[in-house]
Amino acid sequence: LAKTTQPISMDSYEGQEVNITCSHNNIATNDYITWYQQFPSQGPRFIIQGYKTKVTNEVASLFIPADRKSSTLSLPRVSLSDTAVYYCLVGITGGFKTIFGAGTRLFVKA
Amino acid sequence: DTAVSQTPKYLVTQMGNDKSIKCEQNLGHDTMYWYKQDSKKFLKIMFSYNNKELIINETVPNRFSPKSPDKAHLNLHINSLELGDSAVYFCASSLRLAGQETQYFGPGTRLLVL
Repeated sequence: LAKTTQPISMDSYEGQEVNITCSHNNIATNDYITWYQQFPSQGPRFIIQGYKTKVTNEVASLFIPADRKSSTLSLPRVSLSDTAVYYCLVGITGGFKTIFGAGTRLFVKA
Repeated sequence: DTAVSQTPKYLVTQMGNDKSIKCEQNLGHDTMYWYKQDSKKFLKIMFSYNNKELIINETVPNRFSPKSPDKAHLNLHINSLELGDSAVYFCASSLRLAGQETQYFGPGTRLLVL
């Protein structure tokens, strides 16, 4: 399974756009890229998933370049409640083995 | 309605005891998982079940024994608890459809072994 590398932590201010980049140099042809969000004392929650180019939903956007060796999660206009750990996962969709990396701890300040 | 539920939410016990954690999902999913999140917040997969069949056992000690009585339930029994077993245990479920998979996690069970 492809290994992922993300920044350990990021700080931002309310109202700013936050971009978290994940490197996955060994991504395989069939691998999808998935991002989860985890608040303290809660289980991870699915944010967005994509295979290539750009995916957007009501929560975030996911940008994937043509070589797919990295991806960027974009959170528009963050608020204090977006303070959480964000995990980037790469693996065959529907695969039974999911590997979570260390994640990126985002801290949003007022 | 809770999609993935776990009981108990908190579990404090002594070393050497045996304990169980229960998980239920009402999403109609066919795959369920157990994860362990330690004090450093690393989330590691322990087991994966598909249609009640064990698919993945990630080098978990034999003291941990999952059981899936049906597709909606995946319980975790732990024998002879050790201090290192203290962690948060998350249950998750997903539906394996070609092209898309999203895992839904339970609220976690916080286990403290004294």
